[in-house]
Amino acid sequence: EVQLLESGGGLVQPGGSLRLSCAASGFTFGGYAMSWVRQAPGRGLEWVSAISGSGSSTYYADSVKGRFTISRDNSKNTLYLQMNSLRAEDTAVYFCAKGGYQLPASDWGQGTLVTVSS
Amino acid sequence: EIVMTQSPATLSVSPGERATLSCRASQSVSSNLAWYQQKPGQTPRLLVYGASTRATGIPVRFSGSGSGTEFTLTISSLQSEDFAVYYCHQYDNWPRTFGQGTKVEIK
Repeated sequence: EVQLLESGGGLVQPGGSLRLSCAASGFTFGGYAMSWVRQAPGRGLEWVSAISGSGSSTYYADSVKGRFTISRDNSKNTLYLQMNSLRAEDTAVYFCAKGGYQLPASDWGQGTLVTVSS
Repeated sequence: EIVMTQSPATLSVSPGERATLSCRASQSVSSNLAWYQQKPGQTPRLLVYGASTRATGIPVRFSGSGSGTEFTLTISSLQSEDFAVYYCHQYDNWPRTFGQGTKVEIK
């Protein structure tokens, strides 16, 4: 059974930084691309970033490019999202998801809430 | 980026009726189109990928069609558990994008 467990969310001031983690199990982690998708309170889904299975290729939404960095440690079966220069509009639940390259994300974590506020 | 536009924003349907949801892409995404279902407080659930292939375990009452820029998700006979928000998602181009969602509510 695929399990994805996000952590690292919390309250941060505008301009601050946060690193999210996603611990994966139940599949061969390094064999799959991984994605981050967010959802602001009461709003729809917004794709944030994706990374190839090897970690050699990364992609970002325009809204986070230059501020967020996706990475992975295949030896630890863990996906990361480093978020810098955070803004109020980054407030959302951040979901980690398996897939997102040739096929859409098929399995999702429960999400971690990031709140950017002074 | 490719803009995905869903219609209608809200669809009021009686249980047992058919629901038809539409999704339009601002440029062709070939058949690289997925549909997700999300219920309140839950994570999104993949229903359809490749525009028309049901994901594992998805009931046959859910069917997807279309290619290029016009896509449809049809729920043939709505069950109580189908009332939710539905999102289309293109995975043809970077950045990936989602539609704004269609809420299917009980009439």
